[in-house]
Amino acid sequence: DSGVTQTPKHLITATGQRVTLRCSPRSGDLSVYWYQQSLDQGLQFLIQYYNGEERAKGNILERFSAQQFPDLHSELNLSSLELGDSALYFCASSVSPSGGPGELFFGEGSRLTVL
Amino acid sequence: DAKTTQPNSMESNEEEPVHLPCNHSTISGTDYIHWYRQLPSQGPEYVIHGLTSNVNNRMASLAIAEDRKSSTLILHRATLRDAAVYYCILRDPTNAGKSTFGDGTTLTVKP
Repeated sequence: DSGVTQTPKHLITATGQRVTLRCSPRSGDLSVYWYQQSLDQGLQFLIQYYNGEERAKGNILERFSAQQFPDLHSELNLSSLELGDSALYFCASSVSPSGGPGELFFGEGSRLTVL
Repeated sequence: DAKTTQPNSMESNEEEPVHLPCNHSTISGTDYIHWYRQLPSQGPEYVIHGLTSNVNNRMASLAIAEDRKSSTLILHRATLRDAAVYYCILRDPTNAGKSTFGDGTTLTVKP
């Protein structure tokens, strides 16, 4: 158990809909990262927050947005969903604000299926 | 962004050592080398990391080349539970967003 909690574990929705994925980081970790893992693209970095502020941005689509709340949990919002958005979405947390030696602790992921 | 190159797959026999290589020829002087593994239907799990010196922990050892352009993850005695996809990534202390997970190495452990 990594200490990172993600909900929901599974989600099935239709194209055009909007969903919210939630992540609670490990106790004491201020950084939250979001990754997308699809079959044909591996683990893709989406975005990182540190203590409520956006810290780094990857290949996140404009239809996607995220935020980190004062209690440090984070939400990833996916809107106008397309079939290609079907994937596993992982949240990871770390104690440090950037890379370097800080270990990443991953949650179990949220599997999104768009029909 | 500094990228890593790993073999797509490797096989090992149970209870034998496994050496998983990773090339990172464009590594910068401040990048840390991290290894993670992902078991089926689970999130990636931290294994080990290092900067310049070789590192050991309860899970594995990390051997880093002197020029830091390559590294090797060593599992001393592979078990069936070590079958996973192993990722070698570089973590830049100034920009966490530059860490790129490649395709990793799928390790198969044969009994």
